[in-house]
Amino acid sequence: DAGVIQSPRHEVTEMGQEVTLRCKPISGHDYLFWYRQTMMRGLELLIYFNNNVPIDDSGMPEDRFSAKMPNASFSTLKIQPSEPRDSAVYFCASSLRMTGELFFGEGSRLTVL
Amino acid sequence: DQQVKQNSPSLSVQEGRISILNCDYTNSMFDYFLWYKKYPAEGPTFLISISSIKDKNEDGRFTVFLNKSAKHLSLHIVPSQPGDSAVYFCAASALLNDMRFGAGTRLTVKP
Repeated sequence: DAGVIQSPRHEVTEMGQEVTLRCKPISGHDYLFWYRQTMMRGLELLIYFNNNVPIDDSGMPEDRFSAKMPNASFSTLKIQPSEPRDSAVYFCASSLRMTGELFFGEGSRLTVL
Repeated sequence: DQQVKQNSPSLSVQEGRISILNCDYTNSMFDYFLWYKKYPAEGPTFLISISSIKDKNEDGRFTVFLNKSAKHLSLHIVPSQPGDSAVYFCAASALLNDMRFGAGTRLTVKP
């Protein structure tokens, strides 16, 4: 049974470029979360969806970040334009319930030069 | 704001001894707490959880203790094994609210 699938695993880009990270949640999970991991702040929640609808995006750092979930099996996190301080590992996770166990993907490591 | 805090960025213990990882939280509305383990280049995986109606939950070598009055929980690993070396994240959630994570504690178990 496939888990949460993220792509790309690694992305190196130059400042100012657009970055798109992708996520396929576990089938049947109603909740999808985007987290960012940094050394200083650990795992930060950026945004989460319930049944494809964005519920809370208060963790999105600024307008350069946007996320969409066009259907139950796909979500994207976009950064435009990217900056060096966006360098981090971005995790997607899904769950059956709001307060249930989260299932994480392997993460997308982003490096902005 | 950091509603969930793990004040020890790292911990080193000898194989066979007890590992104790600590976590503090500030939001009294949190009612469900979890620990996740993360190996390098992998996503975090669920380890153990506890509801606020309990003060202890045990699963094999892993036990989580919750002290609601102190807003503190801890994860005990006994006996510790080299394969337990990983980053451990504490997480908490309140009814209908999202899950918040601590910054993580890197555990190293030395053979």
